[in-house]
Amino acid sequence: GAVVSQHPSRVICKSGTSVKIECRSLDFQATTMFWYRQFPKKSLMLMATSNEGSKATYEQGVEKDKFLINHASLTLSTLTVTSAHPEDSSFYICSARNGTGFLHEQYFGPGTRLTVT
Amino acid sequence: AQTVTQSQPEMSVQEAETVTLSCTYDTSESDYYLFWYKQPPSRQMILVIRQEAYKQQNATENRFSVNFQKAAKSFSLKISDSQLGDAAMYFCAYYGEWDTGNQFYFGTGTSLTVIP
Repeated sequence: GAVVSQHPSRVICKSGTSVKIECRSLDFQATTMFWYRQFPKKSLMLMATSNEGSKATYEQGVEKDKFLINHASLTLSTLTVTSAHPEDSSFYICSARNGTGFLHEQYFGPGTRLTVT
Repeated sequence: AQTVTQSQPEMSVQEAETVTLSCTYDTSESDYYLFWYKQPPSRQMILVIRQEAYKQQNATENRFSVNFQKAAKSFSLKISDSQLGDAAMYFCAYYGEWDTGNQFYFGTGTSLTVIP
């Protein structure tokens, strides 16, 4: 149990376009989802926390208008990178917290590699 | 904000040998959780082991064990009988039970190489 999927696993887009990344909890209801960004050989940097049905909470320095997060259902959160630029190229990872589980338990998706050309 | 420090960017170990990865953290909380996550080349984050701060006994999971020193705020991971599949990035992480941020804090990671 506790499987989290991400789609797509890899995406290449042109500068100036927008790209959407989906994060789904497959066998549990995720009341909270986290979005992280990871640069090569670096740690995970929390971008935002999203709670189902409410606005996401963004970390300091993360542009909310550029990284749009929607958590419309208990099993799906989306991250949209708007007007992408090469510097947005990175590995994006989501994690989900089971609504009926412990607060300290989170389950990670396999990540999405975004390349902006 | 809490901080998690991993002072060893890279480590290597001979297959079948034992290796210890270091982690220290800073917090004023008394109730919290500590984790070690493994990130292999596939980039999928895998939970290796978890320690509850209120437990004095060190957590163990098969070949993986921790040395949790609460007063020293130290949380090291010992991998015994290292296997080739243990090669990965290892991240130490902290979660505060009452942290208003309600988030996980990750260290900078240690890249472990297993030498056959």
